[in-house]
Amino acid sequence: AQKVTQAQTEISVVEKEDVTLDCVYETRDTTYYLFWYKQPPSGELVFLIRRNSFDEQNEISGRYSWNFQKSTSSFNFTITASQVVDSAVYFCALSEAYTGNQFYFGTGTSLTVIP
Amino acid sequence: SQTIHQWPATLVQPVGSPLSLECTVEGTSNPNLYWYRQAAGRGLQLLFYSVGIGQISSEVPQNLSASRPQDRQFILSSKKLLLSDSGFYLCAWSAHRTGQGRGYTFGSGTRLTVV
Repeated sequence: AQKVTQAQTEISVVEKEDVTLDCVYETRDTTYYLFWYKQPPSGELVFLIRRNSFDEQNEISGRYSWNFQKSTSSFNFTITASQVVDSAVYFCALSEAYTGNQFYFGTGTSLTVIP
Repeated sequence: SQTIHQWPATLVQPVGSPLSLECTVEGTSNPNLYWYRQAAGRGLQLLFYSVGIGQISSEVPQNLSASRPQDRQFILSSKKLLLSDSGFYLCAWSAHRTGQGRGYTFGSGTRLTVV
């Protein structure tokens, strides 16, 4: 079974619109870690955020914010006032404390911000 | 600070030719090392991971092999490339528990085209 699901394969928004990228995960571990990575056209994956399972506090970093809800096993990512430079593929990932040597990646969401 | 180097950035190889992609990490010791492939589309497929020198785990049967001759060196190889080996190859490292620190740090990738 897919451990990380990113149901949105492609999203297009007009510049300055807000956009939310969804991520739903599945795990039996009580301790786990969730991540978001950005892959710009250059290809390199860039770390954006890590969240521990025991810390449900939402986080904001500039125009980026993350909403972690254990009750719905979701870790959604919102970009406020999107910009063309936000155009990229975004990956959500899960790491379980018990099998911590491996990441489980979602299939990615391709975001296009139209100027 | 830790850095990861991956080369070459692009490679065009004929079918049946050998392959050697190299990845090295600096600024840390005893890292976990990973090779991922991203084929057409966006999914990230884990090919190999290593928790120590000479220790290689393969996730999928394939035409490729990996070796870890030194603590911070990870090599992806093939004796005879197939057309289906084309893709974007990413090396990554992590501390021994991916929940610690920033999870994975990725190299800049190698875009391989087999012709």
